[in-house]
Amino acid sequence: NAGVTQTPKFRILKIGQSMTLQCTQDMNHNYMYWYRQDPGMGLKLIYYSVGAGITDKGEVPNGYNVSRSTTEDFPLRLELAAPSQTSVYFCASSSPGGPTGEKLFFGSGTQLSVL
Amino acid sequence: GDSVTQMEGPVTLSEEAFLTINCTYTATGYPSLFWYVQYPGEGLQLLLKATKADDKGSNKGFEATYRKETTSFHLEKGSVQVSDSAVYFCALNTGNQFYFGTGTSLTVIP
Repeated sequence: NAGVTQTPKFRILKIGQSMTLQCTQDMNHNYMYWYRQDPGMGLKLIYYSVGAGITDKGEVPNGYNVSRSTTEDFPLRLELAAPSQTSVYFCASSSPGGPTGEKLFFGSGTQLSVL
Repeated sequence: GDSVTQMEGPVTLSEEAFLTINCTYTATGYPSLFWYVQYPGEGLQLLLKATKADDKGSNKGFEATYRKETTSFHLEKGSVQVSDSAVYFCALNTGNQFYFGTGTSLTVIP
C-alpha cells in the first residue's frame, strides 16, 4: 500500500541551483497535483494534471515546471531556485470518476530550503 | 474567485473539551466541502466530507454540516483527546481544483 511517494524528504539548495521533486502513485489515479505549504498560508496549488500528457497551471506556477509522461509519475522541476521557493511541497492524487471519488491522497512532503 | 476562510489559530483545549473550528467559503456553483487533518511530519489526510447542502460529514467523533444558506462548514467534536492534536484544513472542490484554508492548529492538553 505505497499510495503517493515523494522524494526526497529534505533538501537544501543554493540560490540558482536546479532540482526535481519526484512524485509517483500506484493507485492508477488520473488526477495529480503539486501544492506548496507556507507557514500560516495554507496550501497553494502549483500545477495539476488530469491525465498523462495533460498539465495545467494552478495558483502559483511561476518558477516551476511539470511533466506527466505516465499515469504514475508527476515530477516538479525548479530551474533556478530562489529563497521564495523555501517551503514544504506536497504531491497529491485523486480519481474523481473512481471508487474514491474526490478524495485527495497526499504524499508525506518534501521540505525544501533555498539559501 | 473560489476561496475558503477558516478560523485563525492556534487553539489550545483541555482534554474532553468541546471543539469548534469555523469555516466559511465562497464558490460559484455547488462545491463539495472537506476537512483534512495533518499530523506532525505527515501529509494531509481526509477527515470528512459533504457533497451537497444539508449533508453532514462525520468521522472519529468529528462532524461538520454543509450549510448553503450561511456558506459554512464548521468542524465540531464533543470531547477532544490528546491524539486529536494536529492542524485542520477546510477545503472545497469545484471540479479540477481544490481550495484550502490556511489551517488551524489544535493542541489538546491532558
